[in-house]
Amino acid sequence: GQQVMQIPQYQHVQEGEDFTTYCNSSTTLSNIQWYKQRPGGHPVFLIQLVKSGEVKKQKRLTFQFGEAKKNSSLHITATQTTDVGTYFCAGLFISNFGNEKLTFGTGTRLTIIP
Amino acid sequence: DTGVSQNPRHKITKRGQNVTFRCDPISEHNRLYWYRQTLGQGPEFLTYFQNEAQLEKSRLLSDRFSAERPKGSFSTLEIQRTEQGDSAMYLCASSLQLEQYFGPGTRLTVT
Repeated sequence: GQQVMQIPQYQHVQEGEDFTTYCNSSTTLSNIQWYKQRPGGHPVFLIQLVKSGEVKKQKRLTFQFGEAKKNSSLHITATQTTDVGTYFCAGLFISNFGNEKLTFGTGTRLTIIP
Repeated sequence: DTGVSQNPRHKITKRGQNVTFRCDPISEHNRLYWYRQTLGQGPEFLTYFQNEAQLEKSRLLSDRFSAERPKGSFSTLEIQRTEQGDSAMYLCASSLQLEQYFGPGTRLTVT
């Protein structure tokens, strides 16, 4: 079956430092989505990447989709306390029947030291 | 509030009992998903509806689990003969295109 792995599992950074999480899929993805889950909250959609090699930016967040559409990364510049949470990548797989299934990665939990 | 809602928010049940959870998606969303999430893990796909049709079902979903979306609007997830391993957060999400909007979840504790 499809597997999506993320590293690192945890990351502790000083406020103002940068943060990166990496996502790898065992198979080629149709697209990749990123979600953020605050402690005690539910996943909230951040962005979707569709094209091979695509790069998208949202303020201090930069998202990349690999050329082979099997890996992705999220980079946060100059972290702030509001960035605390767990970041999940989620790979979209389309079955032979055309059905969509989103497989979430294991997540990277970011904590900020003020 | 026009987001995804789930009821109940918390459920404590004894092993062997049946439980049912409800999800009300965002009204114009035709796709509805159920996930299970345990501590420290990402959401794990359970099943997916497009309108009232259940199109995909995880192998993780044993025969004790059943989901319905009879009129293509709200959905229910039933777990029969609950086991302690069923304790988890059950998340519902809906979508119109590809991004999914999650509800607050139902936390199930089986004692």
